[in-house]
Amino acid sequence: AQSVTQPDIHITVSEGASLELRCNYSYGATPYLFWYVQSPGQGLQLLLKYFSGDTLVQGIKGFEAEFKRSQSSFNLRKPSVHWSDAAEYFCAVGFFGNEKLTFGTGTRLTIIP
Amino acid sequence: DTAVSQTPKYLVTQMGNDKSIKCEQNLGHDTMYWYKQDSKKFLKIMFSYNNKELIINETVPNRFSPKSPDKAHLNLHINSLELGDSAVYFCASSLGAGNNSPLHFGNGTRLTVT
Repeated sequence: AQSVTQPDIHITVSEGASLELRCNYSYGATPYLFWYVQSPGQGLQLLLKYFSGDTLVQGIKGFEAEFKRSQSSFNLRKPSVHWSDAAEYFCAVGFFGNEKLTFGTGTRLTIIP
Repeated sequence: DTAVSQTPKYLVTQMGNDKSIKCEQNLGHDTMYWYKQDSKKFLKIMFSYNNKELIINETVPNRFSPKSPDKAHLNLHINSLELGDSAVYFCASSLGAGNNSPLHFGNGTRLTVT
């Protein structure tokens, strides 16, 4: 069965600093990978996705993520965070023909001035 | 012009009651879902419908019954509510089955059972 691990429950970053959120998946086939962001009291919003092709994908709000097959990882990065980036971030994995996305447990991002 | 809208936003009720949550999407998507997010933010799929047909039915108590009158609507009815049902329930939609198109989420319904 597929699984997703987000090792960091909570990360605190200074405004303007760089950010990397980790995501590791476990599945035999090539996965489809997603990052979603959830602001307080809101639903999840798609940041970016990887299906195939270029392993570095660009998303909204200045985020990017890199798929590394050898490490089974899909880490999310942003070169300079803004206070508005404070939210909960979820990595998710699926595979072709299966509508059942598996979500990680989320990483809460706090931004300090 | 909300894409995925669910009502109510908050629902407080007593154990043993029956309640419903409604969801509507105006994106023209074929597939709709119900997800449950617990107090630790863990998000787990409950049901999925594709063109009004049930395609995913996870291990959910049969007190939970989804209903899809048409492909733009997916409602969730819960009978005999229990304390453990307290959670945030998210409706979502996507283009269709088998292509892993991204999910579009509603803003959630926070259910509190007392």
